[in-house]
Amino acid sequence: DSGVTQTPKHLITATGQRVTLRCSPRSGDLSVYWYQQSLDQGLQFLIQYYNGEERAKGNILERFSAQQFPDLHSELNLSSLELGDSALYFCASGTSGRRTYNEQFFGPGTRLTVL
Amino acid sequence: AQSVTQLGSHVSVSEGALVLLRCNYSSSVPPYLFWYVQYPNQGLQLLLKYTTGATLVKGINGFEAEFKKSETSFHLTKPSAHMSDAAEYFCAVSFGQGAQKLVFGQGTRLTINP
Repeated sequence: DSGVTQTPKHLITATGQRVTLRCSPRSGDLSVYWYQQSLDQGLQFLIQYYNGEERAKGNILERFSAQQFPDLHSELNLSSLELGDSALYFCASGTSGRRTYNEQFFGPGTRLTVL
Repeated sequence: AQSVTQLGSHVSVSEGALVLLRCNYSSSVPPYLFWYVQYPNQGLQLLLKYTTGATLVKGINGFEAEFKKSETSFHLTKPSAHMSDAAEYFCAVSFGQGAQKLVFGQGTRLTINP
């Protein structure tokens, strides 16, 4: 158990819909990272938040957005869903200081299926 | 460009045989290197990491990896495979201090034959 929790574990929805994925980081970690894992793209970094502020962006679509709340939990919002958005979405947390090597601890993931 | 390449998307070994999973990276800054394991329907678990210091690092479950700067490699090994090692293995790199993301290789699925 990494200490990172994600809900829900599974999500099935239809095209055009909007969903919210939730992540709670390990106690003491200020950074939250979101990754997408799909068969064709592999593991791709989406976005990082540090202590409530966006720190870095990766291959995140404009239809996707995220935020980190004062209690440090994070939500990833996916809208206007398409079949190709079906994937496993991971949240990771870490300390992520300027002088660290960025070790990240991963949650169990949310499997999104878009029908 | 900074990238990570895992050679072989599928590796199959016999129980008790040596496990060797290959990872090469391309980087213009000193990298920090990680191996993660993913069991079916589970998240990623950190096996081991190289940050600084000794280039041979030991991890959990009997795995180890050696950072070879001259070869830009970080191959994962285990002397004797167990059935429980069957999983997908990912090499990941953080490019430089304070880097904001991990860049992952495409993964290697390890199968153990009885």
